[in-house]
Amino acid sequence: GAGVSQSPSNKVTEKGKDVELRCDPISGHTALYWYRQSLGQGLEFLIYFQGNSAPDKSGLPSDRFSAERTGGSVSTLTIQRTQQEDSAVYLCASSLVYMNTEAFFGQGTRLTVV
Amino acid sequence: RKEVEQDPGPFNVPEGATVAFNCTYSNSASQSFFWYRQDCRKEPKLLMSVYSSGNEDGRFTAQLNRASQYISLLIRDSKLSDSATYLCVVGANYGGSQGNLIFGKGTKLSVKP
Repeated sequence: GAGVSQSPSNKVTEKGKDVELRCDPISGHTALYWYRQSLGQGLEFLIYFQGNSAPDKSGLPSDRFSAERTGGSVSTLTIQRTQQEDSAVYLCASSLVYMNTEAFFGQGTRLTVV
Repeated sequence: RKEVEQDPGPFNVPEGATVAFNCTYSNSASQSFFWYRQDCRKEPKLLMSVYSSGNEDGRFTAQLNRASQYISLLIRDSKLSDSATYLCVVGANYGGSQGNLIFGKGTKLSVKP
């Protein structure tokens, strides 16, 4: 079956514009994670969805960032009024059930704010 | 204290060497532990889960010490293809974030001929 799919793979946007990043998890996976990774840096947790529970938004760096997950499947990460420091690779992952199961990552969206 | 801490390296070793990575975690209630591998400009992929009794997969051995809250990864007879960044990952087990995966910053390994 298909893996985690992210789109677009690359996005160049002007400072101040809004962007939407999309993640299609593996079918049936209840857990969905968003991370971002700046060049040469580690993964920074952003937000976590698990089933119908309220998402853990504790990693969102500012109120310009938001995410939703519709129907327990597709997720969209929205960044409003983008800043140059938002430039990074945004990675989405999903897993079948939480704890002790493998999380599969998409190939990421490389965001460049100019 | 950061939730998951690793030595960033880099570790530069010759082929055939044995190398060990350590990782510490802050939440004593954590229940699940993993090592992921990330190649340059690629997404992370699971290398192995870490069990309380320790586990081995070929040249790779993972150990968990709950009392000291650290996890280790041992790579024996290292190959050029082992060059990558190794990420320590801990499953959160608190409040509304049960199951969330917290990644360490990674340890970079470079194996030289």
